[in-house]
Amino acid sequence: GAGVSQSPSNKVTEKGKDVELRCDPISGHTALYWYRQSLGQGLEFLIYFQGNSAPDKSGLPSDRFSAERTGGSVSTLTIQRTQQEDSAVYLCASSPVPDYGYTFGSGTRLTVV
Amino acid sequence: EDQVTQSPEALRLQEGESSSLNCSYTVSGLRGLFWYRQDPGKGPEFLFTLYSAGEEKEKERLKATLTKKESFLHITAPKPEDSATYLCAVQAVYGGSQGNLIFGKGTKLSVKP
Repeated sequence: GAGVSQSPSNKVTEKGKDVELRCDPISGHTALYWYRQSLGQGLEFLIYFQGNSAPDKSGLPSDRFSAERTGGSVSTLTIQRTQQEDSAVYLCASSPVPDYGYTFGSGTRLTVV
Repeated sequence: EDQVTQSPEALRLQEGESSSLNCSYTVSGLRGLFWYRQDPGKGPEFLFTLYSAGEEKEKERLKATLTKKESFLHITAPKPEDSATYLCAVQAVYGGSQGNLIFGKGTKLSVKP
């Protein structure tokens, strides 16, 4: 597609439930990133995929968070047993090479009640 | 620890009143410094990448400059449509997370007609 597509755009879930967030990057972009943006905070790095290499998971805040990227394209971020502190906007970005300008999606606003 | 500090947190300007936003950074080795614009409810939009001290880039009313310790985003004769949050990010040459950007918290710019 023309841009990075994320779904759903909004998600309200009950505490303790699992959620899946989807990211469809720009076709041909080998690098894919997940960030989290909380109110009043900067963007927080979560995970990075580059081609067929093992992902860099160093930013994942706990083992409740996981992500995968299938076929070098679509990525899914899964949060298990959601907590209220997980409420944030989750942003996905892709780029043709790792140190080129990222193109961000519009994000998924997650609210845990 | 690599970090990015942006100032001011918020800036109000009258249309046509030029000003500058500051981004100070501490990084073990700079691969690149990035500027983004973010509108409410949207993902960040890429503006510039700067790679070495002394480098400058321009786009319409925006001009970004880079020194060894900070970057400035100069806004000349701003218009109301320039109102947005401007984000600065750095990418380190060495680090456990090659490829990811470290973001500041942003400067929220409001331009009144």
